[in-house]
Amino acid sequence: DGGITQSPKYLFRKEGQNVTLSCEQNLNHDAMYWYRQDPGQGLRLIYYSQIVNDFQKGDIAEGYSVSREKKESFPLTVTSAQKNPTAFYLCASSRLAGGQETQYFGPGTRLLVL
Amino acid sequence: KQEVTQIPAALSVPEGENLVLNCSFTDSAIYNLQWFRQDPGKGLTSLLLIQSSQREQTSGRLNASLDKSSGRSTLYIAASQPGDSATYLCAVKEIKAAGNKLTFGGGTRVLVKP
Repeated sequence: DGGITQSPKYLFRKEGQNVTLSCEQNLNHDAMYWYRQDPGQGLRLIYYSQIVNDFQKGDIAEGYSVSREKKESFPLTVTSAQKNPTAFYLCASSRLAGGQETQYFGPGTRLLVL
Repeated sequence: KQEVTQIPAALSVPEGENLVLNCSFTDSAIYNLQWFRQDPGKGLTSLLLIQSSQREQTSGRLNASLDKSSGRSTLYIAASQPGDSATYLCAVKEIKAAGNKLTFGGGTRVLVKP
């Protein structure tokens, strides 16, 4: 089955702790994205990557970090600098092809602060 | 800065009634507009993508129109069913946005009552 997987489904973070959310895709897509969704709101872009070993900040990158060592993987780390991390995190991927390709989304990870 | 608005935030209709969901955007310089469906606690599923040169797109019971000059799109769902209950989000891809960045509306939560 081709698609995007995210793990874990639920993640709990203690104060001052860094946590890493996993995102893997086997669609052979070049571009990958991380979004944050707060209750009753739309998605906001955290980081995106169009090629291995390169990534760009989105609208709300502060307190987050990413890496893109492999085409298939784009993990997101929520650092202790992110003061309000409780949210639903969605990963997506797409082909580039002039930027008119649809994005495919994973099932999401819900992050809660203890 | 592009802003995407969806009104109403929530909608409840009896089964069989047609659904009309609205999306407005402030900057008409877009490549395309996309409608997504999101079930509770899940990722997004793409429903329809309308290129900026198109006026509408249809898929089964779904029809989406685009009026770029007025900054509006409407998603019509004919003969609604309880299985249509979900949150519907629209998103635009701006011409001047880097990467394949999408700007999302806050969504309309739909409940179809049997």
